[in-house]
Formats: sequence, C-alpha cells, structure tokens
Amino acid sequence: GENVEQHPSTLSVQEGDSAVIKCTYSDSASNYFPWYKQELGKRPQLIIDIRSNVGEKKDQRIAVTLNKTAKHFSLHITETQPEDSAVYFCAASRQRGNYQLIWGAGTKLIIKP
Amino acid sequence: GAVVSQHPSWVICKSGTSVKIECRSLDFQATTMFWYRQFPKQSLMLMATSNEGSKATYEQGVEKDKFLINHASLTLSTLTVTSAHPEDSSFYICSASAGGTGINQPQHFGDGTRLSIL
Repeated sequence: GENVEQHPSTLSVQEGDSAVIKCTYSDSASNYFPWYKQELGKRPQLIIDIRSNVGEKKDQRIAVTLNKTAKHFSLHITETQPEDSAVYFCAASRQRGNYQLIWGAGTKLIIKP
Repeated sequence: GAVVSQHPSWVICKSGTSVKIECRSLDFQATTMFWYRQFPKQSLMLMATSNEGSKATYEQGVEKDKFLINHASLTLSTLTVTSAHPEDSSFYICSASAGGTGINQPQHFGDGTRLSIL
C-alpha cells in the first residue's frame, strides 16, 4: 500500500554540523515531495518542497534531493543552529488525487550546543 | 502570505458535547482543505479531505457521522466533533491548499486545536 518511511526517528548533531534525513516512498506516481518543520506545540511549517521533474533544490542552508529511480528523497541541513531543533516530516503526494499527502513518521532533530 | 487561521486553539468540555472547529484561509482561496489528527509524538493522521461545495472524503476508519465536515466557501471549512467522548481528546489540525490546477500545491497549516473531553 501507500507508504512513506522516514529515518532516523531521532537525530542528534553538534551545532554547526550537517544533518541529513531520508525518506523512501512506495507510490511511483508520487510527484510532489514537501518537507515540514514542526516545533513543539506549533503548526507544521513548509520549509522546502520538490517536484518529480527536479533532482535537487536548495534554499540557503536547506536542500532536498530526489532520486525517482530509487524512490527516495532526502533533506540536508548545513551549518545547523539551535533553532533548527524540531520535528521534521517528509511527505509524498498520493496517486489517487485530491492533492493528499502520505506522511512520514517524523524525525526529531536535536542540535547540541 | 498563505495564512491559515484555526479556532478555537483549546477546548475543554464535558463528554457528550459537540464541538465545532473552524479553519479559515485568510489571504488565499483554499479549494481543498484537510483535517488531521495528531497524537503526541506521532505523525499527522489524515481524517478527511474537503473541497468547497462538495461532500468531504473520509479516510478509512474515520466515522463521518462522528466528524462532520463542512466546506461552505473557498475560505472556510469546519469540523464538528459530535457527542464527543474522552477517546476523542486529541490535537486536531487543519490545512488548506490552493490545489485544483492539476498539480499539487503546498498545504498551509492552522495552529491546531487541542481538544480535551472530560
């Protein structure tokens, strides 16, 4: 069935280092892949997204890569800062329409000072 | 841009009460709105998808008579939890999208509603 697997569930990195979160999707028809950041008790916020016609997208310290053949996509955060600490969710668009997303389980990112 | 307002942010009520939650897109027309439920330390669980002027589509296992959804305009969707019981206590969060042009558009989330049923 439709599924998005996200790893790791928890990631702890030293401030200034890079963090990488990986997701794998099952639906080959998925063509839209957003990443959301959710701080404790707050709304998920879109931080970056990528469509299937693009292999990589970058926005300052954040980048996303997509490998359609392998059906996986990754979030890269460079020069991590304390404010990057949050839960990050990946998602993939659902084939059967109405613009729904299939969500990963989330990664808790901890930035150690 | 792309601001979504959700009210109320917090509700405590007695078992058997019905609770209505509003989700509004403030600066764009939301052709599609989504209602999620989120348990502590877990991912977003899609409950239903609504399009303006049509009946909502519910996910498997979600009782449509329990969770009434109305999407009367391009800027407002409501979720009513009918005859709420303690097991309905949760964090409910809506999102809105300007999708409808044939391609996925980002979902923009409200602040969520924390519902506690005593």
